[in-house]
This record gives sequence, C-alpha cells and structure tokens, in this order.
Amino acid sequence: DQQVKQNSPSLSVQEGRISILNCDYTNSMFDYFLWYKKYPAEGPTFLISISSIKDKNEDGRFTVFLNKSAKHLSLHIVPSQPGDSAVYFCAASGMGGGSNYKLTFGKGTLLTVNP
Amino acid sequence: SQTIHQWPATLVQPVGSPLSLECTVEGTSNPNLYWYRQAAGRGLQLLFYSVGIGQISSEVPQNLSASRPQDRQFILSSKKLLLSDSGFYLCAWSEGLAGEDTQYFGPGTRLTVL
Repeated sequence: DQQVKQNSPSLSVQEGRISILNCDYTNSMFDYFLWYKKYPAEGPTFLISISSIKDKNEDGRFTVFLNKSAKHLSLHIVPSQPGDSAVYFCAASGMGGGSNYKLTFGKGTLLTVNP
Repeated sequence: SQTIHQWPATLVQPVGSPLSLECTVEGTSNPNLYWYRQAAGRGLQLLFYSVGIGQISSEVPQNLSASRPQDRQFILSSKKLLLSDSGFYLCAWSEGLAGEDTQYFGPGTRLTVL
C-alpha cells in the first residue's frame, strides 16, 4: 500500500519553461514533506521541504505547494535548466520524534530538461 | 563539514553468497543512521535505522541484517543473498530522529545478484 504516490514516472520539459512535479499522499498523519533530487549513481540530496502549517515554500527557482485538503503537493521549477534533469523523490513524515521520524518515499519522477 | 561514505560503489554477487556493505560518517557525533534500498520500479524503502552503537531497529523482515560497531560506522550484511536482494542500497544519516530532521544520503551501492 503506497502512502506516497508519484503517478508520473517521467516528465520532459523545454529549458526555460516550468517543470511541475506532483505527489499525492494518503496518510493523514503526515505533516512534513520533502523533495529529494537524485542524479544517476549518486544518493538523493535534499532539495526543499514544507510543513503542514504552510501551503507554500520557496527557495530560488524551486517552490513547493501543499494542498492538505487534497493531500497533494507539487514542486515547481522555474525556469527549468538542463542541470535539473534528475529523478525527484517526494517524501513525507510526521513531525516530532518517536515513530513519526520515518520518511516514506514515492517511486520518483524522472525529469528531463531539453536544451 | 559532514560527509558520508559508502563502499563498494558497485557489486555483483552470486545467489547464496554473503554480503557486507559499509557506511561511515565523518564530521558529526552520535548520528542517527539508516539503510535504504531502492529496488527497480519502487521507491526508497527503509530497511534499518540506528540511534546508537549496537542499537538496530529493523523495518522490513528479510534476510539482511545491520550492525553498528562504532559510532559512525553502519554495516549491512547478509549470510546468503537472494535474487530479490538486487537493488540500489543507500546509507543516510541525520542529527535528530524527528520527522523534520533532514536525512543526508551517501553515494549508494549498486548490488546485482545473479
């Protein structure tokens, strides 16, 4: 039972345009969400996060939007650059300690930005 | 600054052979350590985590085991590999164990079991 779903295995966009990566979750106990970026043969690197008390968090070209009622979040990359080509993982957890620490990951979306 | 190392980078092993993957962290003390696996077509799956030396928690029943003989060393092992053990194994660390603590990943080990 997938609690974090990334329904698009791949996405292709033109350089300079917007990339929108989507993520849905089913566990209502999740209240902290992260995006990780992964290049081939490397480990994932943290990109951006958002807590459930916010609906938007922005860091440079990257913005994450959270719609709690829809249990949906999205990552926007504007403008997209060829170096953004990578696999993007959505992850979710509960805040605080105890068993809430666990990160639950989606399957990832391969983003290809074409020059 | 903190760094995390994993080796080997790639490994091809026959079914039934043993496995030992090593992960070390530098630049921090008493980190929380994690082993993840990404199998083909699946997301990252947490296998084990450790909050201290000798303290291992298993998340998924399997023929793998983990050990933490030193504060900044985490080892993933198996006595007999199965075909289904193939995948990309990632070690990670975090300072805290709260959900909002960022996890930092190592470069990973690509394991192919034939």
